Amino acid sequence: GNSVTQMEGPVTLSEEAFLTINCTYTATGYPSLFWYVQYPGEGLQLLLKATKADDKGSNKGFEATYRKETTSFHLEKGSVQVSDSAVYFCALSPFTSAGNKLTFGGGTRVLVKP
Amino acid sequence: DVKVTQSSRYLVKRTGEKVFLECVQDMDHENMFWYRQDPGLGLRLIYFSYDVKMKEKGDIPEGYSVSREKKERFSLILESASTNQTSMYLCASSLDPNYGYTFGSGTRLTVV
Repeated sequence: GNSVTQMEGPVTLSEEAFLTINCTYTATGYPSLFWYVQYPGEGLQLLLKATKADDKGSNKGFEATYRKETTSFHLEKGSVQVSDSAVYFCALSPFTSAGNKLTFGGGTRVLVKP
Repeated sequence: DVKVTQSSRYLVKRTGEKVFLECVQDMDHENMFWYRQDPGLGLRLIYFSYDVKMKEKGDIPEGYSVSREKKERFSLILESASTNQTSMYLCASSLDPNYGYTFGSGTRLTVV
């Protein structure tokens, strides 16, 4: 079946540090890949996505590249701010429409200190 | 701006009560989902629906039911609330999963 594995947190950083959150997946075919962000007390918001190999998704200074050869979709940001403190979820959608469900990773909590 | 609206941000209910969690989307999406989120367990799918009056069990349907009488509304029902159903409940909708989901803000339910 499909699965998503992401690094466990919490990840604690200082402001302006470089952030990487690793995400690897297992899926048949060519899934679409997503990063969602959840700020404290809120629901999940789509941060970025990529629908095919070598695509790069980007938003709000965050980037992730769909690497089919390593089945990875690592999230990066060059200079984090306190406002980036949140939980980040990696997810995949299988190419087929059967099931119509996203598979989520367990989430990674990021804490950015001033 | 497209929206998924969950009727309550916070709820406190007593053990044994019947609880209704409401979710409405204004995007004409066919697919709707209910998840619960617990520390250390991530997101777990309770039920989902592909269309009006259609429903499918997710990974943890026990103790829950759902209703979808209209396309825009997907209700989660706790038939007899128990303390182990204290959780954050998240509703989501999608037109096509390849474009992702839109989530509501969540309902934090406490059962006492």
